[in-house]
Amino acid sequence: QKEVEQDPGPLSVPEGAIVSLNCTYSNSAFQYFMWYRQYSRKGPELLMYTYSSGNKEDGRFTAQVDKSSKYISLFIRDSQPSDSATYLCATGWGQNFVFGPGTRLSVLP
Amino acid sequence: NAGVTQTPKFRILKIGQSMTLQCTQDMNHNYMYWYRQDPGMGLKLIYYSVGAGITDKGEVPNGYNVSRSTTEDFPLRLELAAPSQTSVYFCASSYSASPGELFFGEGSRLTVL
Repeated sequence: QKEVEQDPGPLSVPEGAIVSLNCTYSNSAFQYFMWYRQYSRKGPELLMYTYSSGNKEDGRFTAQVDKSSKYISLFIRDSQPSDSATYLCATGWGQNFVFGPGTRLSVLP
Repeated sequence: NAGVTQTPKFRILKIGQSMTLQCTQDMNHNYMYWYRQDPGMGLKLIYYSVGAGITDKGEVPNGYNVSRSTTEDFPLRLELAAPSQTSVYFCASSYSASPGELFFGEGSRLTVL
């Protein structure tokens, strides 16, 4: 079983849609949870991070973590064409980051 | 602010050749990392460093070497290139090990033929 699993997509949605991106992880020792956004031919950039179960909101983005079911979600409200990118979930502790393979999202105008 | 700078952006190597991927950061970060990214596989940690003079292996270190003589620079050496090393390589840095805010370079795309 992979440590972090993520639906690779691609996922295509119309502009303005609500997008839900999901990951599951296997190691209950993981302490923090992150979402990175990666535009084509660029390096990943941190979008959101959290330490705890529950929701964390930042503008149109909401990260949700359920430690009991080892489930991580990212919701994007009012999606824009500029949100078209690959979204990587990541988790870990200390030096040990584990990344999911990424979900490719296309938001169509 | 340049952030994390990687060179070269693209390179084609023949099997058995060697090369060094350069990485420089100007944020005075102690922690630096090298990852490789293959389609459908996620980022895999090759080597990391917690400060000048200190390096350690990650998940996939075979075929690679690193050094960290200064805070700013963290070069990755590929010895005897193999087709399995065809990948996109990312250098990253962070101020601390937690909470995991990694600053990535734009990547170096390497093809071994």
